[in-house]
Amino acid sequence: DGGITQSPKYLFRKEGQNVTLSCEQNLNHDAMYWYRQDPGQGLRLIYYSQIVNDFQKGDIAEGYSVSREKKESFPLTVTSAQKNPTAFYLCASTTNLGNEQFFGPGTRLTVL
Amino acid sequence: QQPVQSPQAVILREGEDAVINCSSSKALYSVHWYRQKHGEAPVFLMILLKGGEQKGHEKISASFNEKKQQSSLYLTASQLSYSGTYFCGTGGGRGSYIPTFGRGTSLIVHP
Repeated sequence: DGGITQSPKYLFRKEGQNVTLSCEQNLNHDAMYWYRQDPGQGLRLIYYSQIVNDFQKGDIAEGYSVSREKKESFPLTVTSAQKNPTAFYLCASTTNLGNEQFFGPGTRLTVL
Repeated sequence: QQPVQSPQAVILREGEDAVINCSSSKALYSVHWYRQKHGEAPVFLMILLKGGEQKGHEKISASFNEKKQQSSLYLTASQLSYSGTYFCGTGGGRGSYIPTFGRGTSLIVHP
């Protein structure tokens, strides 16, 4: 079955540590996205990538970094520079910008 | 700029109807609708495009008023499974944008 996987489902980290969230898709989609979701805030775009080895900042990119070395993979690193990293993180992919988005199950990150 | 959704929350009994609205301060070329159950990923419901084209996967209807820069999602004869948070995403021309999502409308359907 095609889809998007994110791991782990829950992640706990100490303040000041970098942490990398995994996102893999086997839908053969070109575009991939990272969103952050906080209660009452909706989905806010962190980074997106249209093709391999290229990515663009979204609305709230500060304190985050990404890479896109393979079409199937788009990992997100939450760095120590992110002041309030505790949130629900969603990865998504589409065939092309503007088309329906397929979301992964999400990773809930808690920084202690 | 983030679209505005209304109402923020709706509580219904099974079989009742609901309307969720999404309005934008910018010109609209397309509107996406998604539903998210608690702790799960959002699931695509529908895309409405300028010019009337509509693409969806479920028996849910929606309208798109380009002049008023608004879209409405119509949930008729609601079922328990309709419960969740509904998000609209608004954006530019097809194939060239990423939708900006609203804050969501929480829908609770009681037996």
